[in-house]
Amino acid sequence: SQTIHQWPATLVQPVGSPLSLECTVEGTSNPNLYWYRQAAGRGLQLLFYSVGIGQISSEVPQNLSASRPQDRQFILSSKKLLLSDSGFYLCAWSITGANVLTFGAGSRLTVL
Amino acid sequence: DAKTTQPPSMDCAEGRAANLPCNHSTISGNEYVYWYRQIHSQGPQYIIHGLKNNETNEMASLIITEDRKSSTLILPHATLRDTAVYYCIVRVPYNFNKFYFGSGTKLNVKP
Repeated sequence: SQTIHQWPATLVQPVGSPLSLECTVEGTSNPNLYWYRQAAGRGLQLLFYSVGIGQISSEVPQNLSASRPQDRQFILSSKKLLLSDSGFYLCAWSITGANVLTFGAGSRLTVL
Repeated sequence: DAKTTQPPSMDCAEGRAANLPCNHSTISGNEYVYWYRQIHSQGPQYIIHGLKNNETNEMASLIITEDRKSSTLILPHATLRDTAVYYCIVRVPYNFNKFYFGSGTKLNVKP
């Protein structure tokens, strides 16, 4: 069966520090991968999606970047965090043609 | 971008049916209606989807109006564990599978 892992689960970082959140999917090949962010009390905002290794599309301009170095690995990064980067970050995967988006457990980032 | 309108919150008594409405008046002919829910501090969970026929699974029923401009998600016997934010999404399958979530409806199931 397919599983999705995200880490770290919780992170507290100072303003201006770098960020790296990692997501891996097991049990499937060539998944579509996504990063969403949810600010406190808000809905989910699609940040990045990827249909293959090295293929990243950004949905909104921001202080973040994403990379997909391997088929089932998706990384969210920042060189210098802002206070506004605080939130709940969710990785998700799907298969092209499928109708279901499956989410990880999320990473809660607090920037102080 | 989200193309749906949902009430921000609803209450439901435990054991009663919860009926969550969604307006999608600009839905196009090849767009499906999907429902997800997000329990506090967890990732969203898929519930059900449909095109124009009513659908039912072990979690819920989806009723889509004949003109497809609105739909209702029905939880037949709500429990306290159904307290969550429910998202209604319209999308075209195969559009790189992008899902755009709106603000959703916070369903509060009360004992």
